[in-house]
Amino acid sequence: DGGITQSPKYLFRKEGQNVTLSCEQNLNHDAMYWYRQDPGQGLRLIYYSQIVNDFQKGDIAEGYSVSREKKESFPLTVTSAQKNPTAFYLCATAPPVSAGELFFGEGSRLTVL
Amino acid sequence: AQSVSQHNHHVILSEAASLELGCNYSYGGTVNLFWYVQYPGQHLQLLLKYFSGDPLVKGIKGFEAEFIKSKFSFNLRKPSVQWSDTAEYFCAVNARAAGNKLTFGGGTRVLVKP
Repeated sequence: DGGITQSPKYLFRKEGQNVTLSCEQNLNHDAMYWYRQDPGQGLRLIYYSQIVNDFQKGDIAEGYSVSREKKESFPLTVTSAQKNPTAFYLCATAPPVSAGELFFGEGSRLTVL
Repeated sequence: AQSVSQHNHHVILSEAASLELGCNYSYGGTVNLFWYVQYPGQHLQLLLKYFSGDPLVKGIKGFEAEFIKSKFSFNLRKPSVQWSDTAEYFCAVNARAAGNKLTFGGGTRVLVKP
């Protein structure tokens, strides 16, 4: 099936631990994005990548890191430096001429205990 | 930087009622505008989009939105809602100078009572 796969769907971690969220796509889209969704705040952009081996910070990049070694994959690491990591994380992709239209995965819910 | 505001955080209405969700953005340049919907337990999906041309755009499931440039608004409407329209709705703006980056509003949770 074509699409975007995020894993795990649910994740619990203790404070002080890093955790990596996976995002894989087989849509052959160049651009990939990570958003964080919090109630009442909508979606906020963490990092994005327009092409392999290149990525840029979004609006709330502090405490997060990413890599883009393959076109299909854009993992997000939530580090212990992220002060409020409990949230719903959404991965999205876009083809080259999308004019902003994004395609979303089903999300990963991270809870820090 | 652009910002997007949605006026209502929660809306509750009965089936067959009309729905209008407000969306305003702040950006002086050319924009592309979107409404996304997130049904319970499902991923975000595109409801409709405006790039250029007729400012009244129609989307899926009977939704439409009107772009009013002078008011920096892109309000979403549906004349008669159904219980299945219960969802969270997000307005989003892409400033064409910003490439493919989307800025989202805070979302509006809509509950349609049967």
